[in-house]
Formats: sequence, structure tokens, C-alpha cells
Amino acid sequence: NAGVTQTPKFQVLKTGQSMTLQCAQDMNHEYMSWYRQDPGMGLRLIHYSVGAGITDQGEVPNGYNVSRSTTEDFPLRLLSAAPSQTSVYFCASRPQTNTEAFFGQGTRLTVV
Amino acid sequence: ILNVEQSPQSLHVQEGDSTNFTCSFPSSNFYALHWYRWETAKSPEALFVMTLNGDEKKKGRISATLNTKEGYSYLYIKGSQPEDSATYLCASKDYGQNFVFGPGTRLSVLP
Repeated sequence: NAGVTQTPKFQVLKTGQSMTLQCAQDMNHEYMSWYRQDPGMGLRLIHYSVGAGITDQGEVPNGYNVSRSTTEDFPLRLLSAAPSQTSVYFCASRPQTNTEAFFGQGTRLTVV
Repeated sequence: ILNVEQSPQSLHVQEGDSTNFTCSFPSSNFYALHWYRWETAKSPEALFVMTLNGDEKKKGRISATLNTKEGYSYLYIKGSQPEDSATYLCASKDYGQNFVFGPGTRLSVLP
């Protein structure tokens, strides 16, 4: 019963470094998404995917890339980290686009 | 992008008090509304999925109503307990692909 698994839980990066946040789900959900959560703001959608091989931009996509080569995995790549990307990141999956979301544990990222 | 608002931003209640808070969303092209409960250091978990005008959902001491014509949903907690302390998020969706989350209401229940 793993659900949605995110790694790492914590990460500190230097400005300009790149990294990949991993997300995997074992529920055979078609829809996966990445959010960032900043103080005083709701969860904001970064990128999403409606199925393997299909990705699209959300509300705040700049500075991030995604890919969806399998149904299970949806990694988020930071190309060149900036202090503005300091945030808590959540991966989520849904069986369909209008159903409830299942969230991973979150990744707290600090860019110095 | 939808504008989803929640009020109040935060509130403190005494154990045993009942409380409620509001989620406001655009009423045009409404498709669905979700409520989530988010405890500190954990992931958000779904409370309710609501789609029809007049929907009322209940889970234990927590209930929610939906008015799609005027664009709001209320979440009620009866007899608040310290374990109800959390941030409550709503998310609304129109006929597009994605849900938009409100900023949340942070509830603290004091023993």
C-alpha cells in the first residue's frame, strides 16, 4: 500500500545546481501532477500529465521540466536552481482528472 | 486560471466549539469541488468530493455543503477536538483539466 512515494524528503541546493525530484505511484493512476506550496498561497500546479507520454504545463512551469515515460513515474527536474524555487513540492496522482488527489509526502527544497 | 478563495485565513477555537469556514469559487462552468485536510508534516488527504448543487457530505463530525449557483462551499466541524487542528484546503475545477487550490484555512483547536 505504498500510494504516492516522493524522494527526497529534504534537499538543499546551491544556486545553479540541477536536480530531479522523484515521484512514483503504484495505483495505476493516469493523471499525475506536481505542485509547489509557498506560505500564504495555495498549492500551485507546476506540470501535469494525463497519461504516459503526455505532459503539459500548469500555472507556474518556468524553471521545471517533467517527463512521463511510464504510468508509474513522474519526475520533476529543476534545470538551474534559483532561490525563488525554495518551496515545498508535492506530487499527486488521480485515477481520472475529476477525482480526488492522492498526495506524496512532500519534498522541502531550499536553494541557497 | 480560476480564483479560489478561502476564509478565514486562520482561526482558533476552544475544544468543544463548533466552527465553519468558507470556500469561494467561480460559479460559471463549475465541474467539481474537493475539500482536503492537511495536518502539519503530513500530506493533504481528501475529505469530500462534491459535484452537484445542494450536495451535502458528512464524515463523522465534519460536514460540507455546496452551492454552485452562487459559488461557495461551507465546511462545518461540530464539537471541535484538538486532533481537528489542521489546514483545510478546497480545490475547484471547471471544465478544464485542472483543479485550482485555495490558500487554505488553518484551524487550531485549543484544549
